[in-house]
Amino acid sequence: DQQVKQNSPSLSVQEGRISILNCDYTNSMFDYFLWYKKYPAEGPTFLISISSIKDKNEDGRFTVFLNKSAKHLSLHIVPSQPGDSAVYFCAASDRGSTLGRLYFGRGTQLTVWP
Amino acid sequence: DVKVTQSSRYLVKRTGEKVFLECVQDMDHENMFWYRQDPGLGLRLIYFSYDVKMKEKGDIPEGYSVSREKKERFSLILESASTNQTSMYLCASSPPRVLYNQPQHFGDGTRLSIL
Repeated sequence: DQQVKQNSPSLSVQEGRISILNCDYTNSMFDYFLWYKKYPAEGPTFLISISSIKDKNEDGRFTVFLNKSAKHLSLHIVPSQPGDSAVYFCAASDRGSTLGRLYFGRGTQLTVWP
Repeated sequence: DVKVTQSSRYLVKRTGEKVFLECVQDMDHENMFWYRQDPGLGLRLIYFSYDVKMKEKGDIPEGYSVSREKKERFSLILESASTNQTSMYLCASSPPRVLYNQPQHFGDGTRLSIL
């Protein structure tokens, strides 16, 4: 059973507007959350992360919000650019594990059109 | 910058062959991981290793084995390749979680086709 869910397989946004990618999780032991971006034929690259002691983390155009009570996080990209078109994966880590494995969602394909 | 290098970008093998995928990282990371990525299924963990000669099964270990004889190198082995193992294979590494929250760093992947 998937512990990290990205329920939208795709999202299409006009250049300059905000992109909001969503992620839900079921395991209350998760305490560290990450977003990765992946272009075709390349490996995923780390984008931004957030610890469960925070509810927001910002890095340039990218902001991640965490709602622990709802077990929900979101990635906001403002303003969106055509180069942001990629698959975005949400991932989570379990505080009970010392081994550092991540649990990934299935990804959301973001398309930013001019 | 962390560098994770996978030995092949593209590989074509035949059903029944034994296939080796190699991964090397240059950051002295304790943890190394093998995933496969399939459309609509995201990244699925096959095996991971937290130290030399140590390994743990991930979510889909059937049909695979791994080897970690040196800290920097982690090999994925398809014992007898089958067509349903055609996929993109991704290797990653990270420091141990107990030290601090750190992301995993990925290689560029190996696109493996089994004919």
